[in-house]
Parts: sequence; C-alpha cells; structure tokens
Amino acid sequence: GAGVSQSPSNKVTEKGKDVELRCDPISGHTALYWYRQSLGQGLEFLIYFQGNSAPDKSGLPSDRFSAERTGGSVSTLTIQRTQQEDSAVYLCASSPLGTAGGYTFGSGTRLTVV
Amino acid sequence: GESVGLHLPTLSVQEGDNSIINCAYSNSASDYFIWYKQESGKGPQFIIDIRSNMDKRQGQRVTVLLNKTVKHLSLQIAATQPGDSAVYFCAETSGSARQLTFGSGTQLTVLP
Repeated sequence: GAGVSQSPSNKVTEKGKDVELRCDPISGHTALYWYRQSLGQGLEFLIYFQGNSAPDKSGLPSDRFSAERTGGSVSTLTIQRTQQEDSAVYLCASSPLGTAGGYTFGSGTRLTVV
Repeated sequence: GESVGLHLPTLSVQEGDNSIINCAYSNSASDYFIWYKQESGKGPQFIIDIRSNMDKRQGQRVTVLLNKTVKHLSLQIAATQPGDSAVYFCAETSGSARQLTFGSGTQLTVLP
C-alpha cells in the first residue's frame, strides 16, 4: 500500500483479555517500529524489527507484551491480560533504512481497557 | 535517564504570524534530530530533520535551528496557517541507536 496500515483503528477490551494489534508496513521497508503514546504524552519506544535480525525488545514494558513480524512484512503486537494502564494509542512505523530517520507512521490503534 | 523535553506545552499564535517551538535535549551523544507534526487522530508526520554537523536547516516555511552548546532545538514556522494547528514533537537519536526518543509535544493553535 501507499502508507503504513494499522488495524483495528480503535479497540475496546475488558481488563484481563488479550488483544492483537496489526501493522502492515510500506512494501520494501526493512525496518519496523512499535511505539506507544499515552494521552498527552510523547511516544514511547516498544520494539524494533530489522530484516531477519533478532528484534530489539528493550522497550517492552512487561512480559505481557510481545510482537512478531512474519515474512519480514506484517507485524502483530500482542498484549496479554490487558490492564487499564495499557490504554494508549499504539503506533507503528516503517523505514527503508536500518537506522532512525525516514520513518513513516501509521495512524495508530487506540486501545481502551475498561 | 536522558530525555528530550519541550519548554512550552501549548502555544497560540495569530494566523500569519511566525511560530517558534522549542525543545531541550540532554543526551550529548545525540547527533540526529527530527521534528514531527501530529494532527488529531493521525500518526506523526515528518517535517524536517537536522544532523549535528549543522546548526540550521530550512524547508518550505519551516526552519530548524540547533544549538549544541546549550542542547537546544527549535522549529520556526513562517506565516503560520490554520492547517499548522497540531501537536509538534521533537525527537533525537544517536548514530548507534535505532529508535527515536521523543519529547512530550507542544500543542500549536492558530487563531483566526
């Protein structure tokens, strides 16, 4: 596609449920990033994928969070046993480069845990 | 830890005036800086970037200034328009890092 696509755009879930957020990056972009944006805050790095290399998971806040990237393209961020503090906008970005810069962001998934 | 922050959380300007949004950073190793614009319900959009070997870079109606001595970054928007109303973030990274560190953002409101 022409841009980074994220789905769903909005997700409301009950506390304790698992959720999956999807990111479809720009075709050919080798790098993929997940960020989290809480209300009125800046973006918090979660995880980074680059080609076939092991992902950089240093930003994941707890072991309830995990992410996969299949075939070097689509990525799924999974949050298990969701908590209210997980409520945020989850943003995905992709880049044709292996380093920061040249990011294109998706519109995000707004997650609300009730 | 080291962080990037903004001096002013909100800024209101008259349409047609110039806007200046400031950002302070504390990581002396940062060598690449980016300004993003985020409109409501959308992801951040790249505006302009600058590397640490420069102190000024100009784009279309926007200028980024970098003062490495005091670790300060600013975004100047000329002849501000209603469409410029958004949240503006600065972000920084160093050459060896892959992820960006973002500031908390400034809400720019353009008044008619």
